[in-house]
Amino acid sequence: QSALTQPASVSGSPGQSITISCTGTSSDVGGYNYVSWYQQQPGKAPVLMIYNVNERPSGVSDRFSGSKSGSTASLTISGLQAEDEADYYCNSYTGISTLLFGGGTKLTVL
Amino acid sequence: EVQLVESGGGLVQPGGSLRLSCAASGFIFSDRYMDWVRQAPGKGLEWVGRTRNKANSHTTEYAASVKGRFTVSRDDSQNSLYLQMNSLKTDDTAVYYCTRVGMSGRYIDYWGQGTLVTVSS
Repeated sequence: QSALTQPASVSGSPGQSITISCTGTSSDVGGYNYVSWYQQQPGKAPVLMIYNVNERPSGVSDRFSGSKSGSTASLTISGLQAEDEADYYCNSYTGISTLLFGGGTKLTVL
Repeated sequence: EVQLVESGGGLVQPGGSLRLSCAASGFIFSDRYMDWVRQAPGKGLEWVGRTRNKANSHTTEYAASVKGRFTVSRDDSQNSLYLQMNSLKTDDTAVYYCTRVGMSGRYIDYWGQGTLVTVSS
């Protein structure tokens, strides 16, 4: 299975909103409401930011939100802050207890 | 507090074997599915494999890229997860993360800090 498709990079200024897309197929993103998003700072392990398309774990800022339409999921970060600069990965359940990641998106805060 | 601590990484020659371990604490290990995920240097995340919980007989699943070469196992009495890697290739060079799967089995909720495996002659 090929990785889910994400833009290689996105950027925004502090205070702005950005959206990162994650495109799959009917066998993954489009077939299940089980998309998750992870933030990875340089040299660190990933951290869960969104699960089940639009749910936030406790402790994650409400500036982070998720959505899905068809086979494309999206992560939106509002009120962009310098600390949000990181790599972001989407992930989808694909059935039979397997998971598929996106290629990752580098977010630059200008 | 959930903690996942990997060990066992290092340098291995192509065709060789290595066994990674993960010590888990802060939760009821036997109740949870556990996954291994890897990240090649400068690349993205790749799901490697899974062991289900005791209630699901510790059955396993693997990515196509490692199936037949890697084996995920666990010892619930020791709160430990393992990844046996055989017939290693240079493409297996990566940081390997031990991860805990969320209750629904559909996402990863906690990650260890990772252990680096380098396959090179």
